[in-house]
Amino acid sequence: GQQVMQIPQYQHVQEGEDFTTYCNSSTTLSNIQWYKQRPGGHPVFLIQLVKSGEVKKQKRLTFQFGEAKKNSSLHITATQTTDVGTYFCAAISGTSYGKLTFGQGTILTVHP
Amino acid sequence: NAGVMQNPRHLVRRRGQEARLRCSPMKGHSHVYWYRQLPEEGLKFMVYLQKENIIDESGMPKERFSAEFPKEGPSILRIQQVVRGDSAAYFCASSPASGGYEQFFGPGTRLTVL
Repeated sequence: GQQVMQIPQYQHVQEGEDFTTYCNSSTTLSNIQWYKQRPGGHPVFLIQLVKSGEVKKQKRLTFQFGEAKKNSSLHITATQTTDVGTYFCAAISGTSYGKLTFGQGTILTVHP
Repeated sequence: NAGVMQNPRHLVRRRGQEARLRCSPMKGHSHVYWYRQLPEEGLKFMVYLQKENIIDESGMPKERFSAEFPKEGPSILRIQQVVRGDSAAYFCASSPASGGYEQFFGPGTRLTVL
């Protein structure tokens, strides 16, 4: 089945530093979604990327979809303590086109 | 508009007992998904349902696990004869349709098997 690899598994940063997490697939993806999960919470949708080479921004967050639609990244500029949590990428898969295959997630810790 | 509701939020069972997890999707959503998350791991897809239909159950263990989404009432994930390895957080999500729509997640049910 489809696999989505995400790195790094953990990232510790000082408040104000930048952060990036990467997602890779061996197969071409139709689209990719990003979710954030706070400690003890549930995943919350951040964004969906569909087009090759697409770049979307949400305030300090920048999302990119690779030209070959096999990789994606999430970059946070000047992290804040409120950015703490686990960031997951997820790809739509399955013949039903409803199943999300999640990456392993990157756990972000921000030290004040 | 209430979000996805799940209950119970925490469930403790002894080995061999049954666990029933309930999920009410967001109003207007007819697509329901169940995911399992082990501590500090990603979410693993289990099953995708629409009203009265199982669309994709490729992530469901072959034995002891079943899911339904009846015409009336919540979706139910049922685990029979639980074992310690079933301890996990079980999340339900819903969407208005499949294929490229964001999934709205419920708060999850944390199952602990003693």
